[in-house]
Amino acid sequence: EAQVTQNPRYLITVTGKKLTVTCSQNMNHEYMSWYRQDPGLGLRQIYYSMNVEVTDKGDVPEGYKVSRKEKRNFPLILESPSPNQTSLYFCASSLSFAGNNEQFFGPGTRLTVL
Amino acid sequence: SQQGEEDPQALSIQEGENATMNCSYKTSINNLQWYRQNSGRGLVHLILIRSNEREKHSGRLRVTLDTSKKSSSLLITASRAADTASYFCATDAWGQNFVFGPGTRLSVLP
Repeated sequence: EAQVTQNPRYLITVTGKKLTVTCSQNMNHEYMSWYRQDPGLGLRQIYYSMNVEVTDKGDVPEGYKVSRKEKRNFPLILESPSPNQTSLYFCASSLSFAGNNEQFFGPGTRLTVL
Repeated sequence: SQQGEEDPQALSIQEGENATMNCSYKTSINNLQWYRQNSGRGLVHLILIRSNEREKHSGRLRVTLDTSKKSSSLLITASRAADTASYFCATDAWGQNFVFGPGTRLSVLP
C-alpha cells in the first residue's frame, strides 16, 4: 500500500531534550516536506527536500533540522525543543515539486513540549 | 506570510445543500490545490487546477480559478455528513515553497 508513515504518533517531552520524528514513504517520491499545524494558522511548511541531499527552508525553519540521506526517509530533528514547538506535525511527499503534484500526507505526530 | 486565505472560516449547512468556499492569494501562481482534512488527520488531496484553467470538476466537486482576481472557489454539491471536514487551498508561492491557507471548517448537519 502506498503510504507515508511517521513515528512516533504522539510524543510528550521536556524542554531541551533532543528528539527525532521519522518520516518514510514507499512511493519513490522525490519531493518531501514537513509541516506544522497550529489552531488558526493552518499548515506552515518547515523544511522541504527536492531530492536526496537537497533540502531547503520553508516558512518556519527556526529550531528544526532535517536530512535527506535516502530517498524514502526525511527525519525531522529538534535539537533543543521548546514549548512553542508544541504542535501537530505532518510529513508529506509528492512525485516532484509539490506545486505541480498531489501531496500524500502522513497521519501526523502530536508533539507536546513541557 | 500566508499566500492563501480561505473564506469563510467556518460554514454550517444541511445535508443535501451546496457548500461554497473561497480562497484568495497574493502572488502569481502556477497551480492551486484544494485539500481536505478530517479532524486531526493527514490531509487528502482533492483537486489541482493550473493557472491556465478556469474550471475543473471531480465528482461532486467543482473548482474555479480567477487569476485576475487571485481567487479560487470550491463548490461541493449535494453535501453529505461525511463531507464534514476542514478544507484548505494551497499554492506554490515562490521558489519551491508550498503554502497553505488557514482553512474553512465545514459542518454538514444531518
